[in-house]
Amino acid sequence: DAKTTQPTSMDCAEGRAANLPCNHSTISGNEYVYWYRQIHSQGPQYIIHGLKNNETNEMASLIITEDRKSSTLILPHATLRDTAVYYCIVRVATAGGTSYGKLTFGQGTILTVHP
Amino acid sequence: ETGVTQSPTHLIKTRGQQVTLRCSSQSGHNTVSWYQQALGQGPQFIFQYYREEENGRGNFPPRFSGLQFPNYSSELNVNALELDDSALYLCASSFGLAGGIGNEQFFGPGTRLTVL
Repeated sequence: DAKTTQPTSMDCAEGRAANLPCNHSTISGNEYVYWYRQIHSQGPQYIIHGLKNNETNEMASLIITEDRKSSTLILPHATLRDTAVYYCIVRVATAGGTSYGKLTFGQGTILTVHP
Repeated sequence: ETGVTQSPTHLIKTRGQQVTLRCSSQSGHNTVSWYQQALGQGPQFIFQYYREEENGRGNFPPRFSGLQFPNYSSELNVNALELDDSALYLCASSFGLAGGIGNEQFFGPGTRLTVL
């Protein structure tokens, strides 16, 4: 799985958009970008994933650059409950190989939403 | 719909002992993955079970072993506990082999293991 690079920490004001960047310059053509978050003392929570098109769901939007070497997770109206560690993960989504089914977590970005 | 549950919530053991952690997968899910999360680190993949067989393993020694039962619940067993085994142990379930798009992994709250 390709390596990802994220800022260690970010701050955001409540009600504003939180834009979390992720660099994955070695991503391969068959690798997807996933985002999970982990609120303190809980298990990670799936947020969104994408291949090359921008994606949106009820939680967030995912913007992937045209060359796929970086992406941005957008929380459109951050709340205090969005304070968490956000993990950007790149992985192959096909069967076979040792990476099958495995999520490789890095250090993530600590997002702090303040009033 | 019942989410992923894990037991116990907290556990304290001493070095050299053995421990068994349990996980009940989300309703309809037949695949379970286990992760170890040391303090301040991201979760690390231990192994995955699909239809009662191990299907993929991370860089963990053989004293980490597991089982999956016909109802798709799972156990993680760790023998000869070491101080470095102190961590949050997370279980994640999914439908089908957790590699395909759409078969996302849903995590439980974890078991906090402390080895003294």
